[in-house]
Amino acid sequence: EAAVTQSPRNKVTVTGGNVTLSCRQTNSHNYMYWYRQDTGHGLRLIHYSYGAGNLQIGDVPDGYKATRTTQEDFFLLLELASPSQTSLYFCASSTGTGGAETLYFGSGTRLTVL
Amino acid sequence: GDSVTQTEGQVTVSESKSLIINCTYSTTSIAYPNLFWYVRYPGEGLQLLLKVITAGQKGSSRGFEATYNKETTSFHLQKASVQESDSAVYYCALAPNNNNRIFFGDGTQLVVKP
Repeated sequence: EAAVTQSPRNKVTVTGGNVTLSCRQTNSHNYMYWYRQDTGHGLRLIHYSYGAGNLQIGDVPDGYKATRTTQEDFFLLLELASPSQTSLYFCASSTGTGGAETLYFGSGTRLTVL
Repeated sequence: GDSVTQTEGQVTVSESKSLIINCTYSTTSIAYPNLFWYVRYPGEGLQLLLKVITAGQKGSSRGFEATYNKETTSFHLQKASVQESDSAVYYCALAPNNNNRIFFGDGTQLVVKP
């Protein structure tokens, strides 16, 4: 069964702090995605990647960097965290571009920036 | 642009009663988009509930149904008799055929009362 694992489950940091969110998928999928989910908003795409070393910009990329080190691993970096980045973050993977393919999601990381 | 609208932030239904969660969509694509319902149970990531990629068709899963109505640009989710275990957040989503993106609605929290 498809598996996407995110770590940590919860993270608290202070304004200006440095945070790395991790995601690993064991699906052998090419595409990986980072979303944020805020109350009153749907999932908003931050960055995505279609393979190791590749990075594509999503809809809300400001303040975030991402890196895809292997086919399995996709990281989201907040180098100067701000309270506006307090959110629930989801990683997902898929075989293709998501047009008709299923996205497989991790359980989420809840980030609080004080 | 492409977007999905879910008008209800929360829906409360008594167990064994019927359910409808509204979803309408908008797209700039000439071709009809692919439509999805995802569900997020407490403490878990989103998972695909059902999808329909052909206008006019109906998708079904776990007792839920949704019909792709291109005339009214709607994809409402229905269930004849809900159970407490259906309590979750339901997301409607759209994937245009002319690009590699998927757009989510804000989500509707379903609360099933015993």
